[in-house]
Amino acid sequence: NAGVTQTPKFRVLKTGQSMTLLCAQDMNHEYMYWYRQDPGMGLRLIHYSVGEGTTAKGEVPDGYNVSRLKKQNFLLGLESAAPSQTSVYFCASSYGGYPLAKNIQYFGAGTRLSVL
Amino acid sequence: LAKTTQPISMDSYEGQEVNITCSHNNIATNDYITWYQQFPSQGPRFIIQGYKTKVTNEVASLFIPADRKSSTLSLPRVSLSDTAVYYCLVGDRPPGDLSMDTGRRALTFGSGTRLQVQP
Repeated sequence: NAGVTQTPKFRVLKTGQSMTLLCAQDMNHEYMYWYRQDPGMGLRLIHYSVGEGTTAKGEVPDGYNVSRLKKQNFLLGLESAAPSQTSVYFCASSYGGYPLAKNIQYFGAGTRLSVL
Repeated sequence: LAKTTQPISMDSYEGQEVNITCSHNNIATNDYITWYQQFPSQGPRFIIQGYKTKVTNEVASLFIPADRKSSTLSLPRVSLSDTAVYYCLVGDRPPGDLSMDTGRRALTFGSGTRLQVQP
């Protein structure tokens, strides 16, 4: 039972390069999330999705785009990477439904991204 | 925002009981209280969730007073492996999503409580 899988685990980019982070879940969850975590800080929500084909902005969406073409996958894209996007990125999923407050989020192991 | 306040850090010794209190004065009727644990270089992991009174599972207990304005995560007999950051979450909508009913509180991870367990 893989749960939430993130690829790649590590990546180094140069400023201006683009990349896509992939998140896959095998729990048939409706909701998926992308967070970033900077050193010594909590997680901040970038974008999220409440179902296949839907996406919505979170707390810090600027500089990122997302897509949810398949229910099990949630992609996070950086079109033109900046040093300020150096961070650890976590993907999560939850079963969905209301209230959101009751949703338990299951997290991946994270992607460590450095932008030089 | 459903702002929560937790101690920044706590120290304990193996075998002791640890209680981490989270303050959430503006909790709303729909809000649940959820705690996560995060080890270094890992994603957060769900520990326990509650709405009112007391909840207990194989890992921890969660105490919630009648007014629900605070909650206490209790870890019995901690070990070195309990060294982690603990997050208290309260809210009912994703943070930053202004399309949702503004009466709903944002579900956000704060800075958490860094627990260090010593031998």
